[in-house]
Amino acid sequence: DTAVSQTPKYLVTQMGNDKSIKCEQNLGHDTMYWYKQDSKKFLKIMFSYNNKELIINETVPNRFSPKSPDKAHLNLHINSLELGDSAVYFCASSQIQGGTDTQYFGPGTRLTVL
Amino acid sequence: DAKTTQPPSMDCAEGRAANLPCNHSTISGNEYVYWYRQIHSQGPQYIIHGLKNNETNEMASLIITEDRKSSTLILPHATLRDTAVYYCIVRSVGYGGATNKLIFGTGTLLAVQP
Repeated sequence: DTAVSQTPKYLVTQMGNDKSIKCEQNLGHDTMYWYKQDSKKFLKIMFSYNNKELIINETVPNRFSPKSPDKAHLNLHINSLELGDSAVYFCASSQIQGGTDTQYFGPGTRLTVL
Repeated sequence: DAKTTQPPSMDCAEGRAANLPCNHSTISGNEYVYWYRQIHSQGPQYIIHGLKNNETNEMASLIITEDRKSSTLILPHATLRDTAVYYCIVRSVGYGGATNKLIFGTGTLLAVQP
């Protein structure tokens, strides 16, 4: 069973379009994240939700809007896509136990903006 | 979160132990040392974490110096599938707070040679 899944795996689109990436976790975790990995392979946090509440928003353009309909899902909607949005987007989830947590990552969504 | 320093790359012969060092001289008392790895084109994968004591699991061992200013990840019998970028991350963990994010550096590219 896939613990953290993302759809689609690949997304190719034109500048200016609006697109969404979906993430689901079946681990029962209460915290979910979006990370972005750019062409230079730097991996950076974008957003984090805990129990459907936004707790981390790291200076991301407001064209990016995360939505968490329930604890098991965290979707990322991107408006007016730009060339610089091309990257691999990773979803992750975690649950604090014993004073620490481990984040489990999805396989990534490779977004290419033409 | 404290900053970490890792060598950019290392080689290891297949079947031999891979010892990956990490310096974290500014680590504070409540910060854990985490190790993740990213195999090409996949999502980051949790390996191990520790606070003060040495830790071992089915994947690896983590040796933390007594002053906690450095640590070593040991893969006891490296295989070709262990070729990946290994990230050492130090972080504190809060319940549902902004400290839960992972801050990835540039990591160490471990190349396991046949």
